[in-house]
Amino acid sequence: DTEVTQTPKHLVMGMTNKKSLKCEQHMGHRAMYWYKQKAKKPPELMFVYSYEKLSINESVPSRFSPECPNSSLLNLHLHALQPEDSALYLCASSQEGLAGAYEQYFGPGTRLTVT
Amino acid sequence: SQQGEEDPQALSIQEGENATMNCSYKTSINNLQWYRQNSGRGLVHLILIRSNEREKHSGRLRVTLDTSKKSSSLLITASRAADTASYFCGTAGTGRRALTFGSGTRLQVQP
Repeated sequence: DTEVTQTPKHLVMGMTNKKSLKCEQHMGHRAMYWYKQKAKKPPELMFVYSYEKLSINESVPSRFSPECPNSSLLNLHLHALQPEDSALYLCASSQEGLAGAYEQYFGPGTRLTVT
Repeated sequence: SQQGEEDPQALSIQEGENATMNCSYKTSINNLQWYRQNSGRGLVHLILIRSNEREKHSGRLRVTLDTSKKSSSLLITASRAADTASYFCGTAGTGRRALTFGSGTRLQVQP
C-alpha cells in the first residue's frame, strides 16, 4: 500500500470554528509532513514529524497545531483561522534518512476555505 | 522560502514534442527530486538524482544535474496530453530534513 489518505477532501469553516485535518499512511514511513499550497504556487513546508516527534516548525502561526498520535497518523488542528489561510493542505510521508534522501508520498490534499 | 526557481514558468507544446524545464537552486544539496502535480491534486514523485550523478533516465523522463551551476533540467520526450501538469523540483540543503520546492513549471500539452 503506497497511499497517503487525507480527510476531509474539502472543508469550509468560519473564523471562530475549530476543525481538524487528518492524514494516514501505512507504509511504515517514519517522517510525515504538512504543506500549505496556494493557487499557482509551490507547496510550502509547515511541519515535519520524525519518529513521532516534531522536528521542524517553519514558524507557523499557533492557530495551526500539529499532532502525531502514532507513526501512521498525522493531524492538523485548526482554530481561529483567517481568510488568508484558505489553501490546499497537503500531507506527505517518507522513509526517515538523510535530508531529502527518499521520495515523498503525497496525499490528495484538503481544500480549505475560511469564511 | 523557496530554494529554487524554475523556468519557464509556463510551457505549451503539441503532443509528440519534447518538453524541457529547468530548475536552479541556491545552496549545496544531497540530491534533487522532481515531482508532478495535476491540478488541485497531490504531488507525484518522478525521479530522484543524487549529487554525485549527472544524468538519470526513467521511461520518457531524462534528468540532468550540474552541481557546479546549481541547476537541473527535466526533459519529457514524446509528450502526451496526459503530461499536462505542473512540475516542481525539490531540494534539501545539507542537514535539512525536508524538501523545499521550486516555483514550478506549468506544462500544457495540446492534443
